[in-house]
Amino acid sequence: GAGVSQSPSNKVTEKGKDVELRCDPISGHTALYWYRQSLGQGLEFLIYFQGNSAPDKSGLPSDRFSAERTGGSVSTLTIQRTQQEDSAVYLCASSLRTGGVFDEQYFGPGTRLTVT
Amino acid sequence: DQQVKQNSPSLSVQEGRISILNCDYTNSMFDYFLWYKKYPAEGPTFLISISSIKDKNEDGRFTVFLNKSAKHLSLHIVPSQPGDSAVYFCAANNAGNMLTFGGGTRLMVKP
Repeated sequence: GAGVSQSPSNKVTEKGKDVELRCDPISGHTALYWYRQSLGQGLEFLIYFQGNSAPDKSGLPSDRFSAERTGGSVSTLTIQRTQQEDSAVYLCASSLRTGGVFDEQYFGPGTRLTVT
Repeated sequence: DQQVKQNSPSLSVQEGRISILNCDYTNSMFDYFLWYKKYPAEGPTFLISISSIKDKNEDGRFTVFLNKSAKHLSLHIVPSQPGDSAVYFCAANNAGNMLTFGGGTRLMVKP
């Protein structure tokens, strides 16, 4: 079946502009996660959506970052007034959230954001 | 403060030999650990995991060892194959909603 898809695959933007990154999770997955990977770093958790519950925003680095998930499916991560330190690969993952010890997260290919 | 660390950014191994990737963590609340494998331009894919109630989990050529007292886990790949060349991330979970990842180790398996 189709995996997690993300668009665009690459985005170059000027400092100060807003960007929107899109994630289409695997159909039927109720949980959706956003991470980012800066150059030479590990993956950094940003935000988590589970069903209709309020999202866990504890990883968002500043109030310039926001995300929404419409209809429990597609998610959009928005970065306002982009800064050069926002340059990274933004990864989306989804999981079934069956309530077990841990539900495997399936990752998309990522969006590489470059802020010039 | 990095809670999960992979101190070796890269590792080179000859085909057929054992690859050992190491990971250290500081948060004693972590109770589930995972290894992910990442090829260029692709998202990470799940490889193997271990619960904190175990000290070893084996899946084919891949074995993960957990030493809770040392807060250390390792991934053994034997025998290593050229197709194993990728970046390997260890990750930890504490029954919350997020994974905490290490910085990754780039494994190169030479034919």
